[in-house]
Amino acid sequence: NAGVMQNPRHLVRRRGQEARLRCSPMKGHSHVYWYRQLPEEGLKFMVYLQKENIIDESGMPKERFSAEFPKEGPSILRIQQVVRGDSAAYFCASSRHPWAGEDNEQFFGPGTRLTVL
Amino acid sequence: AQSVAQPEDQVNVAEGNPLTVKCTYSVSGNPYLFWYVQYPNRGLQFLLKYITGDNLVKGSYGFEAEFNKSQTSFHLKKPSALVSDSALYFCAVRGGTSTSGTYKYIFGTGTRLKVLA
Repeated sequence: NAGVMQNPRHLVRRRGQEARLRCSPMKGHSHVYWYRQLPEEGLKFMVYLQKENIIDESGMPKERFSAEFPKEGPSILRIQQVVRGDSAAYFCASSRHPWAGEDNEQFFGPGTRLTVL
Repeated sequence: AQSVAQPEDQVNVAEGNPLTVKCTYSVSGNPYLFWYVQYPNRGLQFLLKYITGDNLVKGSYGFEAEFNKSQTSFHLKKPSALVSDSALYFCAVRGGTSTSGTYKYIFGTGTRLKVLA
């Protein structure tokens, strides 16, 4: 069973460009979470999605950031008009179930390292 | 509010000596506690978790952690450190109640472990 897949692993963008980060959850998982890790910091929750629904985007900046998890295909985190402060590692996690429970555990992907020049 | 504290930015230990990486938490309800390790330019790797049951949890690579409810701590330990254990370690907590936000992992800021040969 393949783990959570993220691509690209490294992404370089110039200020003002758009960044698209992709996440394919583990097989059988329909819940996806995005986290951001700024240099020398822990991971911060951004958004939680189920298929075709955004459940909680309380950790996502109000402007320039958006996320989707379509019925088919990977989840996409989109950052428009990137700025240098967006440079970070973006991690995706997936889980089988949404609620707390012994088997509900988030599995993390390898991350996408975004560098904004 | 849920929170996790890792009071030490860095821990240095000699190879072969026991190591401890500290973590304290604050959460309403029963806590679900996790330890992850991150090697340079890599994603998070799951080490171990506490959900319920025995307070001493054994995980990957010889690591273990002790859940102490009265001290709200979940320190990571290993009897004999290896140079290859040098990495960034994150403690995380997820609220174990059915209130909104239970799926959010709250991460500590990380502790850099350096094992000296």
